Amino acid sequence: EAGVAQSPRYKIIEKRQSVAFWCNPISGHATLYWYQQILGQGPKLLIQFQNNGVVDDSQLPKDRFSAERLKGVDSTLKIQPAKLEDSAVYLCASSPGAGMEAFFGQGTRLTVV
Amino acid sequence: AQSVTQPDIHITVSEGASLELRCNYSYGATPYLFWYVQSPGQGLQLLLKYFSGDTLVQGIKGFEAEFKRSQSSFNLRKPSVHWSDAAEYFCAVALFYNQGGKLIFGQGTELSVKP
Repeated sequence: EAGVAQSPRYKIIEKRQSVAFWCNPISGHATLYWYQQILGQGPKLLIQFQNNGVVDDSQLPKDRFSAERLKGVDSTLKIQPAKLEDSAVYLCASSPGAGMEAFFGQGTRLTVV
Repeated sequence: AQSVTQPDIHITVSEGASLELRCNYSYGATPYLFWYVQSPGQGLQLLLKYFSGDTLVQGIKGFEAEFKRSQSSFNLRKPSVHWSDAAEYFCAVALFYNQGGKLIFGQGTELSVKP
């Protein structure tokens, strides 16, 4: 069974630029999460989708971050404009259902300079 | 507020020694509980999970965890640590609400293994 795919693996951008991350979850998984993991910290939930609807985006900085999950499958997370403090690893995970075990991709390491 | 606490930021154990990583949660009901491991530059891998039933659960790589309701704890254990176990370990809790559930994570415990 294929796992969660994320791209790119690494990205370096200047502050105020925009960036997008892509995630392809495990086939059939209804729940998709985006987490932000700052160095030395645990993953922080940014947004959660159930199929193609948002069920939790309470910690998403909506003035600069946006996410979508078209057709309930792939998802993209965008940052525009980026700030230095956005430097982190962005992890995508999918789950058969909300609250069930989540399966993670390898993450995208973002460096904002 | 609902939370997950891992009291130990960093633990060092000798290879072959036993290991216990602590996890405490704050949640009104009995939650679903998980332990994940993260190697450098990698995503998180599920070690084990607890939903209900037997409070001692077995996972991959020789790990086990015990749910103790009275202590709101879900500690991870391994009888004999191998050098390859050096990694970051995260405890997670599934919080349920009207629209479903979500996973929240502790801050992590970094495990170092000395020869």
